[in-house]
Amino acid sequence: AQTVTQSQPEMSVQEAETVTLSCTYDTSESNYYLFWYKQPPSRQMILVIRQEAYKQQNATENRFSVNFQKAAKSFSLKISDSQLGDTAMYFCAFMDSNYQLIWGAGTKLIIKP
Amino acid sequence: DTAVSQTPKYLVTQMGNDKSIKCEQNLGHDTMYWYKQDSKKFLKIMFSYNNKELIINETVPNRFSPKSPDKAHLNLHINSLELGDSAVYFCASSRPGVGGYTFGSGTRLTVV
Repeated sequence: AQTVTQSQPEMSVQEAETVTLSCTYDTSESNYYLFWYKQPPSRQMILVIRQEAYKQQNATENRFSVNFQKAAKSFSLKISDSQLGDTAMYFCAFMDSNYQLIWGAGTKLIIKP
Repeated sequence: DTAVSQTPKYLVTQMGNDKSIKCEQNLGHDTMYWYKQDSKKFLKIMFSYNNKELIINETVPNRFSPKSPDKAHLNLHINSLELGDSAVYFCASSRPGVGGYTFGSGTRLTVV
């Protein structure tokens, strides 16, 4: 069975620092997609970034970037110059060949002023 | 021009009641989903509909029934509500491919 593991239940950093959230997954598939979603206190689920497994280049969206290591089945999210508005739950998700999302348990990120 | 809209945002009801949550998407997506998020924030897929056909039905009590009158709507009906049904329920939609899911804003259901 495919699984997604987020080993950090909670993290906190000072504003403007860089923080990395870890995510590992297990699959026997070779073509798949990976996502990071953000859920702020407003509870809205917001897509942060996505990565296609066949692409070697790491995806980047402004201050958000990933470190995708396919062989290690690792998909970490780096947030640069963190802002107070980045405080949220962050979920890593794997999309299987049926386009179903398998979710990690989430990491609660707190940005301190 | 909300992409995925759910109503109501909050729902407080007594045990034993029947309630419905409505969901509509204007993205032209083919597949819609219902998720339950428990108090520990864990997301669990409940149902998905693709072109009005149920394609996933996880181990969800049959008190929960999805109803899709058309491709743009997927409503969730819950009979005989129980305390354990208290959670946040999310509707989402997607199209085949890499786009990911678009979520509604969630409905916080509290059963008292």
